[in-house]
Amino acid sequence: AQSVTQLGSHVSVSEGALVLLRCNYSSSVPPYLFWYVQYPNQGLQLLLKYTSAATLVKGINGFEAEFKKSETSFHLTKPSAHMSDAAEYFCAVSSGGSYIPTFGRGTSLIVHP
Amino acid sequence: SQTIHQWPATLVQPVGSPLSLECTVEGTSNPNLYWYRQAAGRGLQLLFYSVGIGQISSEVPQNLSASRPQDRQFILSSKKLLLSDSGFYLCAWDRENTGELFFGEGSRLTVL
Repeated sequence: AQSVTQLGSHVSVSEGALVLLRCNYSSSVPPYLFWYVQYPNQGLQLLLKYTSAATLVKGINGFEAEFKKSETSFHLTKPSAHMSDAAEYFCAVSSGGSYIPTFGRGTSLIVHP
Repeated sequence: SQTIHQWPATLVQPVGSPLSLECTVEGTSNPNLYWYRQAAGRGLQLLFYSVGIGQISSEVPQNLSASRPQDRQFILSSKKLLLSDSGFYLCAWDRENTGELFFGEGSRLTVL
């Protein structure tokens, strides 16, 4: 079985501050991990993915995430937040024989001027 | 390149009326297809997925059904809508069974 927990349904940061969105996963086999972004009234767009290569993964819009097996975490970071980063962010895991991803409940990122 | 489209984008329907949401994928063959529902503050709920024509797996017992009449077409239907069917419906396809999904633009359904 696989599952994802995103800590914090809302994260608020000031423009220019560090963004940290937390994701912990559970999987009995090595996972594939994903971060998606969703802007209002739109579908989800892939930000980045981990598929058992480098543990530090760089994505679009300056985001990156680090796979830490010992902590079963895949936290999303960005050094400096922009107003345009305000959106809903979803972490997802797929693993083993079930390639169907399981999504977290999402974290809404709020960026203050 | 591959694209995915779903329609209509917005739909307002009375309780008890039928529903049909359509999704098509272009630029790929034999994709795995998915229908998700997103209710406010509740994340993504997998409703149906399909690995081929006529092959539908249902994840949640409910008032909805899905069909795949063609390789790149996925339809979500209901004979009689309930208030609880309101939400944002997302169609997606995946690449090579890795779990990486490509989403359509979404269809917002309001049942009154």
